[in-house]
Amino acid sequence: SQQGEEDPQALSIQEGENATMNCSYKTSINNLQWYRQNSGRGLVHLILIRSNEREKHSGRLRVTLDTSKKSSSLLITASRAADTASYFCATGVRGSGTYKYIFGTGTRLKVLA
Amino acid sequence: DGGITQSPKYLFRKEGQNVTLSCEQNLNHDAMYWYRQDPGQGLRLIYYSQIVNDFQKGDIAEGYSVSREKKESFPLTVTSAQKNPTAFYLCASSIASGGAGELFFGEGSRLTVL
Repeated sequence: SQQGEEDPQALSIQEGENATMNCSYKTSINNLQWYRQNSGRGLVHLILIRSNEREKHSGRLRVTLDTSKKSSSLLITASRAADTASYFCATGVRGSGTYKYIFGTGTRLKVLA
Repeated sequence: DGGITQSPKYLFRKEGQNVTLSCEQNLNHDAMYWYRQDPGQGLRLIYYSQIVNDFQKGDIAEGYSVSREKKESFPLTVTSAQKNPTAFYLCASSIASGGAGELFFGEGSRLTVL
């Protein structure tokens, strides 16, 4: 069963505006990652935040993690048309001797020029 | 250049046929994963492997099979038992040993059942 749920499912903003996407998950995690997917392509890693971190920055990206609420948010500041893509959160979950990544349902972001 | 190569990019299958999707990586990663993505949906885990000659079922393994005979290769077979195989299939790899690493993805294989 998919662990992550993201909202909104779709988001349309003007270039220069900020975009915020949220991710909720169900079980304990080791880390949470955000990925980007252009239409019909593979996913590209954006940023990883560990379970003992609360906030992380990378360029125009800001990620927060609240383990008590089992939620994370991705903020893209000063968005550009090239940011148009789908964004997914993924949680790293350790099982009995194994480790896997569970993805959310994604947010489709459209940035209008 | 290091990366993950999936082939074929597009594949058409008649009902009742088995097809095998190739995934090769030259990143020297221990862990490899197969995901299925349906239109407008997230990724669902089919199978994953942490080490050669070992693999585990993911959330939707029924109708699929895999092998991990070499570190670089993790082929996925979509069998005739898979009731609705039309989808976009993504292979990924990561450095294992405790996880907490990023996933590197291939460009995907789009399977269509005629």
